[in-house]
Amino acid sequence: QVQLQESGPGLVKPSQTLSLTCTVSGASISSSSYYWSWIRQPAGEGLEWIGLIYTGGRTNYNPSLKSRVTISVDTSKNQFSLKLNSVTAADTAAYYCARGFGTTGTTGAFDIWGQGTMVTVSS
Amino acid sequence: SYELTQPPSVSVSPGQTASITCSGDKLGDKYACWYQQKPGQSPVLVIYQDSKRPSGIPERFSGSNSGNTATLTISGTQALDEADYYCQAWDSSTGVFGTGTKVTVL
Repeated sequence: QVQLQESGPGLVKPSQTLSLTCTVSGASISSSSYYWSWIRQPAGEGLEWIGLIYTGGRTNYNPSLKSRVTISVDTSKNQFSLKLNSVTAADTAAYYCARGFGTTGTTGAFDIWGQGTMVTVSS
Repeated sequence: SYELTQPPSVSVSPGQTASITCSGDKLGDKYACWYQQKPGQSPVLVIYQDSKRPSGIPERFSGSNSGNTATLTISGTQALDEADYYCQAWDSSTGVFGTGTKVTVL
């Protein structure tokens, strides 16, 4: 079965760059039927969509984060990654990677999620 | 930016029907989906394209979407349905989540 697993540092200093990787197992990340997304959730709060990447490398980002976010894909490793620069305490959250299906902008939804990884921004 | 608003909480008795609303400007012109999240767990997709259920999701979960409101209905609610529920739609190419609703089964 398809599984996603986030990895990366759990603690990042303010003003530095948060870097996370999502490893996909049980399926090829190169499948054109899906796209790959990052979503975050501060403790006790709701979900916030960060952005997504298609296997061809095209990306969509949340306008509120667009200036600080980069999502990339490494098909040889079956992984995709998130970089969020100039972090502050407001970026402290659980970060989830997820697989999307359907058409972004209309029918798209996220059917498989990683377990999430907590990232704290603190000096 | 586009916003999806949900009631913070909904209470329901076991065996009864719970209805969770998600409001957004002309939401009925878009597709809505719904996620269930239990404490300490990742979200699970329970409804997509307004009313479709993924494989493995019980039939007691159903959805509708019209006008400015999408609704998730849980029929014959069970104790294990107690969770947070989030709606999600797209504003152009941007994913948008609702504010979330905590469903309590009393």
